[in-house]
Amino acid sequence: KAGVTQTPRYLIKTRGQQVTLSCSPISGHRSVSWYQQTPGQGLQFLFEYFSETQRNKGNFPGRFSGRQFSNSRSEMNVSTLELGDSALYLCASSPARGGQDTQYFGPGTRLTVL
Amino acid sequence: DAKTTQPTSMDCAEGRAANLPCNHSTISGNEYVYWYRQIHSQGPQYIIHGLKNNETNEMASLIITEDRKSSTLILPHATLRDTAVYYCIVRVEGTGRRALTFGSGTRLQVQP
Repeated sequence: KAGVTQTPRYLIKTRGQQVTLSCSPISGHRSVSWYQQTPGQGLQFLFEYFSETQRNKGNFPGRFSGRQFSNSRSEMNVSTLELGDSALYLCASSPARGGQDTQYFGPGTRLTVL
Repeated sequence: DAKTTQPTSMDCAEGRAANLPCNHSTISGNEYVYWYRQIHSQGPQYIIHGLKNNETNEMASLIITEDRKSSTLILPHATLRDTAVYYCIVRVEGTGRRALTFGSGTRLQVQP
């Protein structure tokens, strides 16, 4: 079974721009979560989507948003990019059925904001 | 979710067992212990999880103390490819809240 895939793998943007990152979960997984990893703050939870609805949200500004499609694929968007948004953005999927909540991570998208 | 405490770093000789401890003294009865690892700049990799019984899979063994206040992840025969940051996480399952809270983890360096 193919793992979680994320596109693009690397991205360079400038301050003030916006960016959209994509995540395809493992086949059959219904939940997708997003995380941000920076050297200073470590791995932090952004939000989780299940059945096309945001279920949980971390402590991030409204510039960070996401959505999930009917096929469970998910996108996250960051508007008005700031230098501090430079990070590794990770997507994780989970079966979210029958008590199966284990999350499996993708390789991440490395975003650099100049 | 309960907080965990792990050593900042550990070394292990290649071929020897790596024993990574984790303290979770405030764990609740319905919280599971999860282990993930992250090899440099890659996404975290799920290793193993358990509630109160010891668990073993093809990657590792998880030993949870009887009082559940601590656990040990055992990599039976460490290789250079096991060099990574290992995260111990405790969380409740079945609540619909799947967010993982990562601490600083243990940086394991496997030496040749």
